[in-house]
Amino acid sequence: KAGVTQTPRYLIKTRGQQVTLSCSPISGHRSVSWYQQTPGQGLQFLFEYFSETQRNKGNFPGRFSGRQFSNSRSEMNVSTLELGDSALYLCASSHRVTGELFFGEGSRLTVL
Amino acid sequence: AQTVTQSQPEMSVQEAETVTLSCTYDTSESDYYLFWYKQPPSRQMILVIRQEAYKQQNATENRFSVNFQKAAKSFSLKISDSQLGDAAMYFCAYRTPSEGNKLVFGAGTILRVKS
Repeated sequence: KAGVTQTPRYLIKTRGQQVTLSCSPISGHRSVSWYQQTPGQGLQFLFEYFSETQRNKGNFPGRFSGRQFSNSRSEMNVSTLELGDSALYLCASSHRVTGELFFGEGSRLTVL
Repeated sequence: AQTVTQSQPEMSVQEAETVTLSCTYDTSESDYYLFWYKQPPSRQMILVIRQEAYKQQNATENRFSVNFQKAAKSFSLKISDSQLGDAAMYFCAYRTPSEGNKLVFGAGTILRVKS
C-alpha cells in the first residue's frame, strides 16, 4: 500500500513568488492535513480538508491556501512568498476509522 | 487553547537502557487523544503510540509505553531496551475530535542513543 506522497520534495523560490505543493493521500483516506515545520516555531497546523471541504484552519495569513480534489489529492499554495515561509511542509492523511494520521516525507521550501 | 509542552529539548540514553520523555498538556476538553510521534533524520513522521483519554490503562507498543496521568495532564513516553534506531526527534501531540484531525504538537525532544 503506497504511503502519503508529497511533491516536490525540494524547491527554491524567491521572495514575492508563489508556490504550489501537492499531496497524494493513502488510498481510501479522505482527510488531508497540512503542517508547517520550522526550527523556530516547530510544527504548526495549517489546514485540514475532508471530502473537498476545508474542515479546519490554523492561524496563518490568507497567503496560505489549499484545496482538495475529488480523488482526495490536495494542494496547498503560498502566494507572495516571504523569507519566513522557508520551512518543511508536511502533509498527513487520516484513516477514516482510527483517525490515525500518516505523514508524507514533506516538501522542503527555501525562499531566497 | 490547547497547548502541549515538552520540557526536555534533548535527551541521551545508552543502548539497551531505558529512557523517559516528558510531556504535559493543557485542555478543557474531556474527549481527546494523545500521541507520540517519531521523526528520524529522514524526516518522515511515524506514529509511535497513542492513548485515548477515556482509557485508564496505559498504552504499550512493544518497547514503548506511556504513563498517562489524566488529572496531572501528563503523558510521558518510556522507551525500554533502547536501540540505535530509536535516535530521532520525538513529538508529543494532542487531538480532540471537535477539531477534526488537527494535531497540536509539542516542541519536540531530540533523543540520542549512545553505543
